[in-house]
Amino acid sequence: NAGVTQTPKFRVLKTGQSMTLLCAQDMNHEYMYWYRQDPGMGLRLIHYSVGEGTTAKGEVPDGYNVSRLKKQNFLLGLESAAPSQTSVYFCASSRKVEAFFGQGTRLTVV
Amino acid sequence: GQSLEQPSEVTAVEGAIVQINCTYQTSGFYGLSWYQQHDGGAPTFLSYNALDGLEETGRFSSFLSRSDSYGYLLLQELQMKDSASYFCAVRALNSGYALNFGKGTSLLVTP
Repeated sequence: NAGVTQTPKFRVLKTGQSMTLLCAQDMNHEYMYWYRQDPGMGLRLIHYSVGEGTTAKGEVPDGYNVSRLKKQNFLLGLESAAPSQTSVYFCASSRKVEAFFGQGTRLTVV
Repeated sequence: GQSLEQPSEVTAVEGAIVQINCTYQTSGFYGLSWYQQHDGGAPTFLSYNALDGLEETGRFSSFLSRSDSYGYLLLQELQMKDSASYFCAVRALNSGYALNFGKGTSLLVTP
């Protein structure tokens, strides 16, 4: 079982560029999440989804968009990257108790 | 929304017992979870409490008091490999059961 797979693992963007982070899970989970992790800030929820075709805003949604067209995939888009979006991004999926995380995407915006 | 408070750092000696506390404020509380994260790695699930009381999983135990909005993670027989960050997380009805995390506690186990 692959679990939760994130692509890419590393990326450097220039300010103003756009990109999409892909998260794929093979556990048939309903819930999927995108978090960002910054030093001393823990894991902050960006957006989440409770099922195919649904998305909702988390704690820090500004500057990001998401889509969940297929149950197994959850995409995170950065419309116009800013240096403040330099972070490590984690995707996770769950049923109602245990969440499984991908290995993270380290994004640097210069 | 929710807020969770936990200590930022804890240091303990190998073989000892350490307790990491977590207090939370939320509405529509569904459960309290604990996750471990080693440097550069992904968070991994440790335990979950939906009801009051103690849950034990090997060397790790987790406790919940819903009336006090409080929980803790207890690590016994500490090993060097337990040096990591530990996060409490709440799942609440008012956020669609999304997991919201505290800022984490960095545990350093010394020889």
